[in-house]
Amino acid sequence: GQQVMQIPQYQHVQEGEDFTTYCNSSTTLSNIQWYKQRPGGHPVFLIQLVKSGEVKKQKRLTFQFGEAKKNSSLHITATQTTDVGTYFCAAASGGSYIPTFGRGTSLIVHP
Amino acid sequence: SAVISQKPSRDICQRGTSLTIQCQVDSQVTMMFWYRQQPGQSLTLIATANQGSEATYESGFVIDKFPISRPNLTFSTLTVSNMSPEDSSIYLCSVLTANTGELFFGEGSRLTVL
Repeated sequence: GQQVMQIPQYQHVQEGEDFTTYCNSSTTLSNIQWYKQRPGGHPVFLIQLVKSGEVKKQKRLTFQFGEAKKNSSLHITATQTTDVGTYFCAAASGGSYIPTFGRGTSLIVHP
Repeated sequence: SAVISQKPSRDICQRGTSLTIQCQVDSQVTMMFWYRQQPGQSLTLIATANQGSEATYESGFVIDKFPISRPNLTFSTLTVSNMSPEDSSIYLCSVLTANTGELFFGEGSRLTVL
């Protein structure tokens, strides 16, 4: 299946600092999704990006899809302790409708 | 949206035994999947559970090890057979909403094999 590379694997920040995680693919993606998994929880859908160059915002979260539809990013402004968790990108490509997950970025926020 | 009930939520099993995980969805869904998440790792798709026919397995997963049933559009089971400690993992049931492409997950079944 489609492979998406996600970096960094871990990120420690002080509360109030910004955070960004990146996803990259060697091939063009049909779409990209972002999920959040709280410690001990299950993944929860955040958003889906479909269009080239698309930017979507959810409060302090900004999601971008690259012009070539090969990369994406999730940026959190002024992190809070409630942002703690692992953020996964997931992407489908070609004729597949089933997303393949990146390895995830674990965000640790220090108060 | 979809509400997914999965059980057991956790279990401790002995090597060589088998365990069946159940997944119940509150509405009829076409696309249902089983994922595995090993400790600290990402989600790996095991198979697509097909209603009324054999599941479609991903590379590295076989029916003898992970038999799956899907008797109707709201229910599926995954059995982890002849377990070894390497099977210790979280197993997640998931459904895909056709209109949004969003995956909904059950709360997962955490298996520990001794």
